[in-house]
Amino acid sequence: GNSVTQMEGPVTLSEEAFLTINCTYTATGYPSLFWYVQYPGEGLQLLLKATKADDKGSNKGFEATYRKETTSFHLEKGSVQVSDSAVYFCALRYILTGGGNKLTFGTGTQLKVEL
Amino acid sequence: EPEVTQTPSHQVTQMGQEVILRCVPISNHLYFYWYRQILGQKVEFLVSFYNNEISEKSEIFDDQFSVERPDGSNFTLKIRSTKLEDSAMYFCASRGGGVVADTEAFFGQGTRLTVV
Repeated sequence: GNSVTQMEGPVTLSEEAFLTINCTYTATGYPSLFWYVQYPGEGLQLLLKATKADDKGSNKGFEATYRKETTSFHLEKGSVQVSDSAVYFCALRYILTGGGNKLTFGTGTQLKVEL
Repeated sequence: EPEVTQTPSHQVTQMGQEVILRCVPISNHLYFYWYRQILGQKVEFLVSFYNNEISEKSEIFDDQFSVERPDGSNFTLKIRSTKLEDSAMYFCASRGGGVVADTEAFFGQGTRLTVV
């Protein structure tokens, strides 16, 4: 079946450090790929997405490239801030018959950014 | 900005009791979902709901679970007889758009259910 694997956290970085959170997936066909973020006390928010191979999603300084050959969608940011501290979830999605559109998530990776 | 709201934020219940988790999706959305995350594990799909009926459900969503949209605004998840292993964070989500539309799902902040 379909699955998403993320690196385990927590990841602790100093402010302005480079961030990589690894995500790989197992799926048939060509799913869309997503990164969601959950800030403390809030719901899951879509951070970025890519819908086909070699697409790069980007938002708020974060980027991820859909790599079909390595089945990966690693999240990167060149310089993290304390406000980036959150839990990051990698996910994939197929369009279901009838448009159900369910997401398959990874376990989430907690990021802590310190001054 | 419109948002999905869930209540309560935390619920503690005794094993065997019924519990209802409530969600108010974004008002013009058509598709509704429940997911859950057991501590330390993946966020898992439970059920999707469209046009007043379940469109898909996972193996987790057995006879103990049910969903309703009783009044056109609320979307509820009921667990009839809770078990210890139902302890998890439950997320509600809603999505607009047509049958095959690349629209974003919006999530609530979650309800943490603790079964004791």
